[in-house]
Amino acid sequence: EAGVVQSPRYKIIEKKQPVAFWCNPISGHNTLYWYLQNLGQGPELLIRYENEEAVDDSQLPKDRFSAERLKGVDSTLKIQPAELGDSAVYLCASSQNPGEQFFGPGTRLTVL
Amino acid sequence: QKEVEQNSGPLSVPEGAIASLNCTYSDRGSQSFFWYRQYSGKSPELIMFIYSNGDKEDGRFTAQLNKASQYVSLLIRDSQPSDSATYLCAVSSEYGNKLVFGAGTILRVKS
Repeated sequence: EAGVVQSPRYKIIEKKQPVAFWCNPISGHNTLYWYLQNLGQGPELLIRYENEEAVDDSQLPKDRFSAERLKGVDSTLKIQPAELGDSAVYLCASSQNPGEQFFGPGTRLTVL
Repeated sequence: QKEVEQNSGPLSVPEGAIASLNCTYSDRGSQSFFWYRQYSGKSPELIMFIYSNGDKEDGRFTAQLNKASQYVSLLIRDSQPSDSATYLCAVSSEYGNKLVFGAGTILRVKS
C-alpha cells in the first residue's frame, strides 16, 4: 500500500514569494490533515478535511495561508506571501480511523 | 502552560534497559492518547494508542494512562539502538480527530 505522498520535498524561496505544497493521501482515507512542524517541536495542526470539507481550520493563518481539497482526494496548501517565520516542515497526514494518522515525508520550506 | 508537556531529554539508556517516557496534559476532557516515534529527518509514525486507564502492551512497548493524574507514559523494554528517536505524545478530546502534540522527548539508546 502506497503511503502519503508529498511534493516538493524541499523548497527554498525568497520572502514575499508564493509557495504551494501538494499532498496525495493514502487511498481510501477520507480525513486529511496539514501540520506545521518547527525544529524541536511537535506538529501543529493547520487544517483538517473530512472528504472535501474543511472541518477544522481554526489554526490556519487565513490572511496568507489557503488550502483546498478538490474531489476529496489530493490537497494543496498555499502560502502567499511567504514570511521568514514560515520556514518549517509542512506535514500532510491522512487517516481512516481517528487518531491513527499516517504522515507523509513532509516538505521542508526555507524562506530567505 | 502548554497543553501537552514532555521532558525534552535527551534520555539516555543502555541497550537492553527499560526506557520510560512521560507526558502530562492539561485538558481533563481528553479521551484518547497516542505515542508517535519520529526518527531524525523523518515524519512521525504511530506506535501506540490508549483510551482507558491502565496499561496496554504491544510487544516491547507498554502505554500507561492515569486520567486522574492527567499522565500518560510509554515504557520500552529491552531498548535497542534502533529505538533512538524522538517520541511524541499526542492527546485528543475528539476521539483522535484533533491531536495536540507535545514537543517530544529525545531517546538515545547506547550500545
